Amino acid sequence: AIRMTQSPSSLSASTGDRVTITCRASQRITSYLAWYQQKPGKAPKLLIYSASTLQSGVPSRFSGSGSGTDFTLTISSLQSGDFATYYCQQYFTSPFTFGQGTKLEIK
Amino acid sequence: QLQLQESGPGLVKPSETLSLTCTVSGGSISSSTYYWGWIRQPPGKGLEWIGSIHETGSAYYDPSLMSRVTISVDTSKNQFSLKLNSVTAADTAVYYCARGPVTGDHWFDPWGQGTLVTVSS
Repeated sequence: AIRMTQSPSSLSASTGDRVTITCRASQRITSYLAWYQQKPGKAPKLLIYSASTLQSGVPSRFSGSGSGTDFTLTISSLQSGDFATYYCQQYFTSPFTFGQGTKLEIK
Repeated sequence: QLQLQESGPGLVKPSETLSLTCTVSGGSISSSTYYWGWIRQPPGKGLEWIGSIHETGSAYYDPSLMSRVTISVDTSKNQFSLKLNSVTAADTAVYYCARGPVTGDHWFDPWGQGTLVTVSS
C-alpha cells in the first residue's frame, strides 16, 4: 500500500497567517491527490482534488500544488473557521490511503 | 442536493457482524460512473478507507479487511451497505459513507454525517 506522510502533525498559527501543509507519498501518484478538512464531530469536507483543483464552493485562499510524490496545501490567509484537521488522500491505486492528519490550532 | 445517511446498530458484540446501510437521497445511486465508498475513523485517530463499490457491483476493498468485509448495492432502495464480520474492539470507529466523482475516481464528496459503532460485550 502507498504510505502518505503529512508534516507537520500539528501546527499553531494565527488568523491572517499563511500556512503550508506537506504530504509525501511513498511512491509516485502523479496528481491523484485530494485534500480534506475535518472539524471536531463532523464529516470530512473535500477541499481539493487532482492535487490542485479547488472543489466548488471552497474559498480561493485554499490552494494545492505538487505532483509525483510531494504535495502541499496552502492557506493564504487563515480565517477563524480554518482551524481544523487536514488530511491528504491518494487515489492513484487501491487501497486508497490517507495521511495521518495535520491539526491546525490557534496560536 | 445529494445527501447520504448512514444507519445501523451502534453497538456490536465481539465476533459478531457489523452491518451498516447508507441511504442516498437527492440523486440516483445507479446514475453514471460513481463509486460509493465506506471510510472509518477510530476515536481520536485518522481516516481509513474500507472499500468502494460501483452500482454494477464492481468493488475495491482494503486488503487488510478484505477477508472480513462485503459491500453491496441495492439500486431499488437507492442504498449501499457494509458488512464486516468477526469484529473486535479495533473495529470501533465512526463509519462514514461517501460518493466518488463522476470520473470514476476515488476521492469522496459528499460524505454522510457518520455513525459511531462500538464493539463491546
